[in-house]
This record gives sequence, C-alpha cells and structure tokens, in this order.
Amino acid sequence: DAGVIQSPRHEVTEMGQEVTLRCKPISGHNSLFWYRQTMMRGLELLIYFNNNVPIDDSGMPEDRFSAKMPNASFSTLKIQPSEPRDSAVYFCASSTRDRPYTFGSGTRLTVV
Amino acid sequence: GQQLNQSPQSMFIQEGEDVSMNCTSSSIFNTWLWYKQDPGEGPVLLIALYKAGELTSNGRLTAQFGITRKDSFLNISASIPSDVGIYFCAGSLISSGSARQLTFGSGTQLTVLP
Repeated sequence: DAGVIQSPRHEVTEMGQEVTLRCKPISGHNSLFWYRQTMMRGLELLIYFNNNVPIDDSGMPEDRFSAKMPNASFSTLKIQPSEPRDSAVYFCASSTRDRPYTFGSGTRLTVV
Repeated sequence: GQQLNQSPQSMFIQEGEDVSMNCTSSSIFNTWLWYKQDPGEGPVLLIALYKAGELTSNGRLTAQFGITRKDSFLNISASIPSDVGIYFCAGSLISSGSARQLTFGSGTQLTVLP
C-alpha cells in the first residue's frame, strides 16, 4: 500500500501564476477529499469526490480554484491566478465508506 | 453546521506524564477518529471509534466514544518525546452521498519536555 501520493511536496510561485497540485489516491478508495490547512483556519474541506464525481465543492474559496478527477487514480487542484493568501498546505485524502481517511503528505504552497 | 470544540489548544508536559484531551460536538456523530500530525506531514490515524461507549486502546493511547455520541477523549499514558505533535479529533456521519465526510477539531498542540 503506497498510501496517498501528492506532488509536488513544495511549490513556490509568483502571484498571478497558475498552480496545479496533484493527488493519487489509494487504490480501491472511492472517495477523495482536498483540504487546505493554515494556522488561522485549521483544516478546511475544499471539495470532495465520490466515484470520481464532485459531490460538495462549497468549501472552494472562489472561482480561481478548480478541481478535477478524470479517473479513479488521479485528481488535480488548480489555482488560477494564484494570490499570496492562497499560501497554505494542501492535503489530499482518500477513503472508502468503511475505511477512515488516509491523508497524503501534503503540498506546501507559497505564493510570493 | 456541525462544530467540534477541541481542548486544550496546547499542552506542555514533562516526559513520563499522562495526557488527556477531548472533543465535544454540537451534534451527534456515529464515528469518532483521532489523528496525529507531525511537522511537515499529513495527519495519521491513531484510533477509530464506531460505537457509543466504545473504549479502544492502541499502545499507550486510549480513546473513548462518549455515550451521548457528542464527545470523545484521548488519553496518552507515560508520554515520550516522540508524542510531540498536533492531535486532531474528527467526527463523521454517513452522508447521503455515501462518502464519510469528516468534521475536524482545531487540534491540540502537544509539547513534551525532557
């Protein structure tokens, strides 16, 4: 079991640039979640997918954020254009109905 | 919406001491989970609780699912330096979408002093 794999681990980008974060869930897990973690707001759910279909994106901050899950083994979270306030650690997690979340190691995003 | 109150926010303890932290909810959950996050890593599951009143141990860790289904506690006995980290509680209900959506507490930062 390779766990949830996220890339890149660190990303530094300039304000206004497009950023794409990637996630490979655990094989067989049919739910995938994107979280953002900051000191001020803790862990915030951005969006989650069930069987590759977005179920709840009410946590997505604004239209600059978008997420896709083209197949069961891959998801992306895109920010375009990026802003300094987007700086945070972004986590992907996957689960099944009967198994608790497993988190990836996260992507630390810094927008300068 | 559902809210979790986790306390304390931070703790400084001496190595060897026992630790207790808890979470309370404004609504009922049917699952309680406890995670630990080390610096630079994602949260890692420590204990999962699925039944009201359930008491579960994992080594030096013990957690209980409150009988009201609105609270849970985590105890760590005989703390050691590697217990340092942020501990999160999380609760869930099976949603209509069949995804086990979690609500997280704000975390307890634990520091163990030698």
